[in-house]
Amino acid sequence: GAGVSQSPSNKVTEKGKDVELRCDPISGHTALYWYRQSLGQGLEFLIYFQGNSAPDKSGLPSDRFSAERTGGSVSTLTIQRTQQEDSAVYLCASSLIDTQYFGPGTRLTVL
Amino acid sequence: GNSVTQMEGPVTLSEEAFLTINCTYTATGYPSLFWYVQYPGEGLQLLLKATKADDKGSNKGFEATYRKETTSFHLEKGSVQVSDSAVYFCALWTGRRALTFGSGTRLQVQP
Repeated sequence: GAGVSQSPSNKVTEKGKDVELRCDPISGHTALYWYRQSLGQGLEFLIYFQGNSAPDKSGLPSDRFSAERTGGSVSTLTIQRTQQEDSAVYLCASSLIDTQYFGPGTRLTVL
Repeated sequence: GNSVTQMEGPVTLSEEAFLTINCTYTATGYPSLFWYVQYPGEGLQLLLKATKADDKGSNKGFEATYRKETTSFHLEKGSVQVSDSAVYFCALWTGRRALTFGSGTRLQVQP
């Protein structure tokens, strides 16, 4: 079946601009996660959605980052006023119970 | 808190050599343990998992056994191929929030 998809695959933006990254989870998966992978920082948890519960935002690095999940399915991660340190690969994952399945990621480059 | 420690890379092996990548963990409760693999330019793929002590996960010739007494989940393969060259991540999940990842180990297999 279809896996987790993310768009765009690559995004180049200028410092100070806002960006939106999209994630389509596996159908029926109730949990959705965003992670960030950057050189020297490894894999960093950002935010977690579980069903209709309030999201766990404890991993978001600043208030410039936000995310929403509409209808329990598609999620959008928004970064406002991007900075060069936001350059990274943003990974989305979904799960039903314990196993998380990852999308291919969005590579964000902030010039 | 939870943590995962992996051996430093890169690990460089000749084709058909035996592979071990060490992974130890610290966690409260009884975590599920995972190995993910990331091929160049791609997202993370689940390689194998184990959900309780003494379970052995296996896939594509790779194996790892959940050792509660030594809090370890070492990855092994009897005969590596050039196509196994990738970064391998050990991870744990306690049922709360996100996966906790190790820092990753790069494997390079030479023909």
